[in-house]
Amino acid sequence: EPEVTQTPSHQVTQMGQEVILRCVPISNHLYFYWYRQILGQKVEFLVSFYNNEISEKSEIFDDQFSVERPDGSNFTLKIRSTKLEDSAMYFCASSPLGQNYGYTFGSGTRLTVV
Amino acid sequence: GQNIDQPTEMTATEGAIVQINCTYQTSGFNGLFWYQQHAGEAPTFLSYNVLDGLEEKGRFSSFLSRSKGYSYLLLKELQMKDSASYLCAVSPDRGSTLGRLYFGRGTQLTVWP
Repeated sequence: EPEVTQTPSHQVTQMGQEVILRCVPISNHLYFYWYRQILGQKVEFLVSFYNNEISEKSEIFDDQFSVERPDGSNFTLKIRSTKLEDSAMYFCASSPLGQNYGYTFGSGTRLTVV
Repeated sequence: GQNIDQPTEMTATEGAIVQINCTYQTSGFNGLFWYQQHAGEAPTFLSYNVLDGLEEKGRFSSFLSRSKGYSYLLLKELQMKDSASYLCAVSPDRGSTLGRLYFGRGTQLTVWP
């Protein structure tokens, strides 16, 4: 079964450092997303991406965050200057065109900011 | 804002049936999803409802009442491996494409032998 692949699985970084989280969505999917889940809390939407541009972003997705699809396969989330409260599990997801498909989530990157 | 409520925890025994409820108040409605999430893992898609009624998929069924802002996930013939968090999520966006989802906090189901 096709998978969404995320790397790395764990990342520890110092406060103020930049991190890039990487995702390879399912190849025939057209919509890409980043979500995060702080430990013990709900899954929260960050951003959606379609046709090489952001289609929607949440209030969490401020100027410290950016997304890119640098080539035909990778989809990245960059956090420019990490804060302690950015510590969370970050999930990439992708979806084919059509509203009756759920996302396929990747296995996540656990980001710890120290 | 978008409000999605579900019980925090439930327990049941192997072989039993359990119903996990979800109520929602959102600015629009374009579908309701149920996901299963094992500890430390990604959510996996279980079901999607956009019209009122029951959708059945093997041991799992999901029901929706749009007028009541209510859904439930029914799990039959429970197995130990069903111990997980069950997430209710609503897409409030209209149109033919899937936008952002708003998730509830999840219901942690523990299945006892």
